[in-house]
Amino acid sequence: TQLLEQSPQFLSIQEGENLTVYCNSSSVFSSLQWYRQEPGEGPVLLVTVVTGGEVKKLKRLTFQFGDARKDSSLHITAAQPGDTGLYLCAGNTGGFKTIFGAGTRLFVKA
Amino acid sequence: EAGVAQSPRYKIIEKRQSVAFWCNPISGHATLYWYQQILGQGPKLLIQFQNNGVVDDSQLPKDRFSAERLKGVDSTLKIQPAKLEDSAVYLCASSLSTGAGSSGNTIYFGEGSWLTVV
Repeated sequence: TQLLEQSPQFLSIQEGENLTVYCNSSSVFSSLQWYRQEPGEGPVLLVTVVTGGEVKKLKRLTFQFGDARKDSSLHITAAQPGDTGLYLCAGNTGGFKTIFGAGTRLFVKA
Repeated sequence: EAGVAQSPRYKIIEKRQSVAFWCNPISGHATLYWYQQILGQGPKLLIQFQNNGVVDDSQLPKDRFSAERLKGVDSTLKIQPAKLEDSAVYLCASSLSTGAGSSGNTIYFGEGSWLTVV
């Protein structure tokens, strides 16, 4: 069974702090996505990474795909209350199969 | 570009009743997914269609859940009879599915249909 483990499961921090969320697997992925989901909404795509070692930046968010394409990290600099939400990673194993992690719930206090 | 459309957004039913959810994927997307998301958890795949064929329905409770995508475009997910534990968000999603190693396998979600069974 292919698994995608996210850590931490829950994170509560003060506004202005930095944080990193991890997504790990023993499987190799052809691509990996990060989503953010706010209460009452569906997951919204943040980024897709495809190449091993790839780094993508989206304002204060930095995404990295591991060299072996088995893991990824999301780093948020100077977190804001608007960053609060459920962060999901999803790995595509090639063809038509995508597996999701259980998510990291982030709460940023003002 | 229009996103994934779902309806209804909210539904409250009594246990043992039936309910149906509708989804229209992004135009041109060959793959359509139905996920169930329990509050606080990640999405769980119920069924995946490639055009009008089923690719994966291994986690679909087939005694009570059914789904169809007859013309390879929009889809309907039905629950009959509903149980209390079916209370969840039902997310429809779609992807281009252009092959491995590309961003074409990226999944795009609708806003979800929120089901409460009482």
